[in-house]
Amino acid sequence: EDQVTQSPEALRLQEGESSSLNCSYTVSGLRGLFWYRQDPGKGPEFLFTLYSAGEEKEKERLKATLTKKESFLHITAPKPEDSATYLCAVAFTGGGNKLTFGTGTQLKVEL
Amino acid sequence: GAVVSQHPSWVICKSGTSVKIECRSLDFQATTMFWYRQFPKQSLMLMATSNEGSKATYEQGVEKDKFLINHASLTLSTLTVTSAHPEDSSFYICSARGAQSTYTQYFGPGTRLTVL
Repeated sequence: EDQVTQSPEALRLQEGESSSLNCSYTVSGLRGLFWYRQDPGKGPEFLFTLYSAGEEKEKERLKATLTKKESFLHITAPKPEDSATYLCAVAFTGGGNKLTFGTGTQLKVEL
Repeated sequence: GAVVSQHPSWVICKSGTSVKIECRSLDFQATTMFWYRQFPKQSLMLMATSNEGSKATYEQGVEKDKFLINHASLTLSTLTVTSAHPEDSSFYICSARGAQSTYTQYFGPGTRLTVL
C-alpha cells in the first residue's frame, strides 16, 4: 500500500536548536516529493519539490533532502516564527494528479 | 508567483442552505484544481479533482450531489455545498496546478464553513 509517514508527530525546540523532520514513503514510481508549511487556520504554503534521490534544496533556515526511501527537512537555528505544521506529500506513478499527504509534524520553537 | 485565492475566508450558514466557495489562480492558468477538506488536527483529505471544462473526479466516499464542483475557466473553480448540515462544517482548501508545475500544487488560504 502506498504510504507516507512523518515523524515525529510533534517537536518542541529551543530557539537556535537545529533538528530534522522525517518523511518516509513507500510508493511505486516516485514522481515528486513535496514539503509544505501550514500555519493554523491557513492553507499550506509550498516550500520545496524534490524529484530524485540525492537532490537537495534550501530556503533560508530550511534544507530538504531526498533518498530512495525518505526525505528530511533540516531546520538550522530555528526561530519562533518557524513554528508551524510541516506537511510532506508525494506524487507517484498510478496516483494520477494526486498528492498523498503525511499527517504532518507540528513544530514549536520557543524562546 | 503561483498565488491562489479563496472566497469567502469564512462563512456561517443555517442548516439546509447552500454555500458556494470560489477558488482562483491569480497569476497562472490552472489546468487542474483540487478541493480538500481538513478536520482539526488532521491532514488534508482530497475530495475531488477537476480539470478545466471537464467534470470533476470525486474521491471514494465523497457525495457528488452534495459537493458540486465547477471548473469553468483556467483561473476559477467553485465548490458548492448543497443543503449543508452541521456535519459539513469544516475547513475547505483548494489548490491549483499549472500546466508546467509538474505535480506541484499551490494552495489557497482556505474557507472555514460553519453550519448551524
